[in-house]
Amino acid sequence: NAGVTQTPKFRVLKTGQSMTLLCAQDMNHEYMYWYRQDPGMGLRLIHYSVGEGTTAKGEVPDGYNVSRLKKQNFLLGLESAAPSQTSVYFCASSSKRGPMYEQYFGPGTRLTVT
Amino acid sequence: AQKITQTQPGMFVQEKEAVTLDCTYDTSDPSYGLFWYKQPSSGEMIFLIYQGSYDQQNATEGRYSLNFQKARKSANLVISASQLGDSAMYFCAMSQPGGGNKLTFGTGTQLKVEL
Repeated sequence: NAGVTQTPKFRVLKTGQSMTLLCAQDMNHEYMYWYRQDPGMGLRLIHYSVGEGTTAKGEVPDGYNVSRLKKQNFLLGLESAAPSQTSVYFCASSSKRGPMYEQYFGPGTRLTVT
Repeated sequence: AQKITQTQPGMFVQEKEAVTLDCTYDTSDPSYGLFWYKQPSSGEMIFLIYQGSYDQQNATEGRYSLNFQKARKSANLVISASQLGDSAMYFCAMSQPGGGNKLTFGTGTQLKVEL
């Protein structure tokens, strides 16, 4: 059981380049999330989705776009990368059922923008 | 707005001793969940324990327990019998049901277990 997977694991971009991070989950979860982790700041929510075809902004959405065309996939796009977007990006998913909405995290993508 | 505060950037504990990692939270919603995650140096996020705002008893999971004091808005993690493998970053987080169950994270506590 793969859980939550992220592609790629590492990436180096030049300022102004674009890229897409792919997140896939095989747990049939309704909710999916993208976070970024910067030193000393914990994880901050970028965008999230409560179901196929829906997306919403989180705490730090500027400079990012997302799409959820299929229930199992959640894509994070950077249209014009900036050095401030150097970070570790985590995708997560959770079920909306039950009293505990534990989020399952992917292994992370380390992105460097030069 | 929700807020999670972890005031201990770093902690040291001797192997086999117990350690408490502090977490306070702020929310005006009566229904919420509190989580602790562990992040070892390898980088993955590992779920440890959960406490619901309406749970009457403190949550326990093996060597982990959550000291939930609702009136003080605190949700401290207690690790008993520390092991070298417990050395990691620990994050406290809060969710609110509805609206996607988004998590708000604290800044984390780096725990180092020493021989």
